[in-house]
Amino acid sequence: TQLLEQSPQFLSIQEGENLTVYCNSSSVFSSLQWYRQEPGEGPVLLVTVVTGGEVKKLKRLTFQFGDARKDSSLHITAAQPGDTGLYLCAGVVYNQGGKLIFGQGTELSVKP
Amino acid sequence: GAVVSQHPSRVICKSGTSVKIECRSLDFQATTMFWYRQFPKKSLMLMATSNEGSKATYEQGVEKDKFLINHASLTLSTLTVTSAHPEDSSFYICSARDSRISWNTEAFFGQGTRLTVV
Repeated sequence: TQLLEQSPQFLSIQEGENLTVYCNSSSVFSSLQWYRQEPGEGPVLLVTVVTGGEVKKLKRLTFQFGDARKDSSLHITAAQPGDTGLYLCAGVVYNQGGKLIFGQGTELSVKP
Repeated sequence: GAVVSQHPSRVICKSGTSVKIECRSLDFQATTMFWYRQFPKKSLMLMATSNEGSKATYEQGVEKDKFLINHASLTLSTLTVTSAHPEDSSFYICSARDSRISWNTEAFFGQGTRLTVV
């Protein structure tokens, strides 16, 4: 069974601080995706990383895929209250029709 | 962009009754859809893979007779929670991918269904 370990699961910081969320696995994934979810809604895709070592930036968010394609990180610079939400990493499993394995999620709270 | 519509968004039912949740891909075909369950402030747990025209594939520990999945067309999958009990109360979410594109593309999620069994 493939697992994704996401940490930390809860994070409460002040506006302006930086933070990093990690996703680690012993398995190799076809690609890895990061989602953000608001309460009562479905997850919304932020980014997909495909190539080992890949780095993608989305404004203040930086996503990195490990060289071995087993781990990934999300770094947020100068967090803002609007960044508050549940962040989920998900590994795309090889040859299973797009099946996703989700990490435990990180509940981020950014206080003004 | 592609849209997945899930209905209903909220449902309250009595213990022992059955509830059907629909997941529709509105502007693309999806030979495969996925059903997830989510507990408060927790991550998504994959329940089953819904395959158009064939039986669903259930994850370990998910009761197939409890959670009936039907994927009768390329745009519709349904999840029926049979003989619901309070412990089945949860947030259920479906997702779908455009079948014409490779697997490394976005999975579009429905809005989710909040099921409360009383």
